[in-house]
Amino acid sequence: NAGVTQTPKFRILKIGQSMTLQCAQDMNHNYMYWYRQDPGMGLKLIYYSVGAGITDKGEVPNGYNVSRSTTEDFPLRLELAAPSQTSVYFCASSPPGTGYSGTSDEQYFGPGTRLTVT
Amino acid sequence: GDSVTQMEGPVTLSEEAFLTINCTYTATGYPSLFWYVQYPGEGLQLLLKATKADDKGSNKGFEATYRKETTSFHLEKGSVQVSDSAVYFCALKLALNDYKLSFGAGTTVTVRA
Repeated sequence: NAGVTQTPKFRILKIGQSMTLQCAQDMNHNYMYWYRQDPGMGLKLIYYSVGAGITDKGEVPNGYNVSRSTTEDFPLRLELAAPSQTSVYFCASSPPGTGYSGTSDEQYFGPGTRLTVT
Repeated sequence: GDSVTQMEGPVTLSEEAFLTINCTYTATGYPSLFWYVQYPGEGLQLLLKATKADDKGSNKGFEATYRKETTSFHLEKGSVQVSDSAVYFCALKLALNDYKLSFGAGTTVTVRA
């Protein structure tokens, strides 16, 4: 059981380039999330998904796109990278639970991708 | 809006010292409160939680009590070890919107032998 995996671990992009951050989970979780963490700041939610085929914007979605074609995978796409997107990106997932939205309290996080745009 | 403010770091301690990390929150309604920990090179993992006022969460020697009157959820450990060196995040989740977590900025703790 690998949990939540993210690739790559590190990446340097030039301004205007594009890339996809990969995220996969093998726990059959319905909810998945993408966060970014800037230095000295808390994690900010970029996008989330409540299940395959369903995605929605979080607090800071501009400059990003996501898709969820399977339960396991939730890639994050950066188009036209900008220096403001330099950050550490975390993917997370939640199992089914008894909460109002049917998800549990705990989120399971991947190890993160450190992205630098220069 | 909902937010979490936690004590700025970094915090450096000697082994067996007492650790406190302050966390206060602003939220409408009655949130659930969490402490997540990130060890070097790893993702965040849930350390403890409390879902209603006066609840105490505890795990691995860490404790935090949900104080509604002071809107606080301070993390404490009586005797830290080198292995407790990590970044600690306070977070909240609203009961009616419980797929989203709001995080504090994180506090880096280093414990020296």
